Amino acid sequence: AQSVSQHNHHVILSEAASLELGCNYSYGGTVNLFWYVQYPGQHLQLLLKYFSGDPLVKGIKGFEAEFIKSKFSFNLRKPSVQWSDTAEYFCAVNAGFQKLVFGTGTRLLVSP
Amino acid sequence: EAQVTQNPRYLITVTGKKLTVTCSQNMNHEYMSWYRQDPGLGLRQIYYSMNVEVTDKGDVPEGYKVSRKEKRNFPLILESPSPNQTSLYFCASSDSYEQYFGPGTRLTVT
Repeated sequence: AQSVSQHNHHVILSEAASLELGCNYSYGGTVNLFWYVQYPGQHLQLLLKYFSGDPLVKGIKGFEAEFIKSKFSFNLRKPSVQWSDTAEYFCAVNAGFQKLVFGTGTRLLVSP
Repeated sequence: EAQVTQNPRYLITVTGKKLTVTCSQNMNHEYMSWYRQDPGLGLRQIYYSMNVEVTDKGDVPEGYKVSRKEKRNFPLILESPSPNQTSLYFCASSDSYEQYFGPGTRLTVT
């Protein structure tokens, strides 16, 4: 079965620090990859997605992610975080018709 | 505005009392699904529906029922809720590989 691993469960950064959140998936076929963000008390919002093409994907709010097929990874990055980036981040893989498999999430706390 | 709505947003109930959480989307999407979110476990799919009258089990279907009589609605039914169903529930709809999530329903079963 497909699975998604997010190795960092909690991350604490100071404002302006760089961010990289790891995501690895297990599935040998063609995948579509997503990062979602959930701000405190809110629903999931799509940050970015990868379907095909350029493996470096740019999303909203300055986030980007790089798909490395050989490593089965889709890490999320942001060069300089802000306090408003405090949220929980979920990596997800679509490896079948419309079904999303989520990682367990990474809670990011950005201190001002 | 394109959106997925859920009601109620918050619900506290007692063990065994049947409840329904409604979900509605205005995007004419064929695919809809329900997830539950639990700390440390991420989101897990409960049920999904590929079209009207077509539903199937997700990863954690036990204790839940769904129906899809209309394209826009996909209610989640708990016939006899138990405390282990205390969770945050999200409905989602999609017309391709991107899913749009509702605001969530926080359910507490005592």
